[in-house]
Amino acid sequence: EDQVTQSPEALRLQEGESSSLNCSYTVSGLRGLFWYRQDPGKGPEFLFTLYSAGEEKEKERLKATLTKKESFLHITAPKPEDSATYLCAVQGGLSGGSYIPTFGRGTSLIVHP
Amino acid sequence: DAGVTQSPTHLIKTRGQQVTLRCSPISGHKSVSWYQQVLGQGPQFIFQYYEKEERGRGNFPDRFSARQFPNYSSELNVNALLLGDSALYLCASSLGGWTEAFFGQGTRLTVV
Repeated sequence: EDQVTQSPEALRLQEGESSSLNCSYTVSGLRGLFWYRQDPGKGPEFLFTLYSAGEEKEKERLKATLTKKESFLHITAPKPEDSATYLCAVQGGLSGGSYIPTFGRGTSLIVHP
Repeated sequence: DAGVTQSPTHLIKTRGQQVTLRCSPISGHKSVSWYQQVLGQGPQFIFQYYEKEERGRGNFPDRFSARQFPNYSSELNVNALLLGDSALYLCASSLGGWTEAFFGQGTRLTVV
């Protein structure tokens, strides 16, 4: 069974204080690892897809990296508008080509001005 | 470009009732997935449909069913509602089964 564990559960930062969120996973045959941002009461907003160990992707103040066991979402010089819950999901290689992703519980990030 | 649209946005139902939630995918996307998200948890996969066929089913009881129409829109039906069915129901669309999914704003279902 695929598993995703995100840490920390909650993180409070001062504006400009860089940090990293962790997503540890176990999956049979990784097809893709996804990062989403979710604001309260809203649907998740797609950020990144990573497919293989060593891959990195960047978007504004966010950078996602991937190893064989975990992924990191680095936030550089965060601003209050970066406050949200960040979700990680993995998609394993099930037979038959079905798409059954597993999500973590998320990291709640609050950035204080 | 219109994103994924879901209706209704909020819904209150009584235990034992039935509910139908609707989803329109992004234009050009042929795959629709449904998720249930309870407060403080990540989304839990319910169904995926691709080209009107069920491609995946999560660990949910038979009270949950779904279908996809020729225009790729989808409905999620839940029968015999329980208090524990109260959650945010999310629809996501993607080009195919192995690509990233884009979510709608969700339907907040409250069962009383």
